[in-house]
Amino acid sequence: DIQMTQSPSTLPASLGERVTINCRASRGISNNLNWYQQKPDGTIKRLIYYTSNLQSGVPSRFSGSGSGTDYSLTISSLEPEDLAMYYCQQYASSPYTFGAGTKLELK
Amino acid sequence: EVQLVESGGGLVKPGSSLKLSCVASGFTFSSYGMHWIRQAPKKGLEWIALIYYDSSNKYYADSVKGRFTISRDNSKNTLYLEMNSLRSEDTAMYYCGGGYRFDYWGQGVMVTVSS
Repeated sequence: DIQMTQSPSTLPASLGERVTINCRASRGISNNLNWYQQKPDGTIKRLIYYTSNLQSGVPSRFSGSGSGTDYSLTISSLEPEDLAMYYCQQYASSPYTFGAGTKLELK
Repeated sequence: EVQLVESGGGLVKPGSSLKLSCVASGFTFSSYGMHWIRQAPKKGLEWIALIYYDSSNKYYADSVKGRFTISRDNSKNTLYLEMNSLRSEDTAMYYCGGGYRFDYWGQGVMVTVSS
């Protein structure tokens, strides 16, 4: 199975700050990586697919990058509605594993 | 507008069975692979099953293999998850996901396994 190591687990940040969440796969996943946002009510929304493609309707302050085993999600300027949990996920091979999550909170 | 609506959850005793449903709308269901994903309370996300668009292939996580069965009825735009021999560790919110790349997600349905 491919293990996804996500960091940090908690990220305190200020509004307007640029933030980055990282994800490392235990072996290459050929850019087959999603990023999700989960709000406190449980709603899950895909933000980024195939490493860097922005889901329709997602603000352009979100971006993704990476290759091979290392990937990242960046929010260019943190807004209040961005405070949530974030997960990476590989879909290169079954089982389609997720990172453990990053809680983005106010500093 | 794409919608995935799960139903069928509830409180059941260990060893019992339950069948979840997920009704899809707003996209061509019969052309999409579909997934089930779960999240135990205060835990992360766990993929548990995939079914191809035409039911030709099905894949399961080891944690549910042999106990859970994924199926679909394209005439009803509905995805199913039949869960047998339920354990306390199956307690979770269950989400259906649309698309091989998990394009769409439902709101989830809660399954609680407790005596």
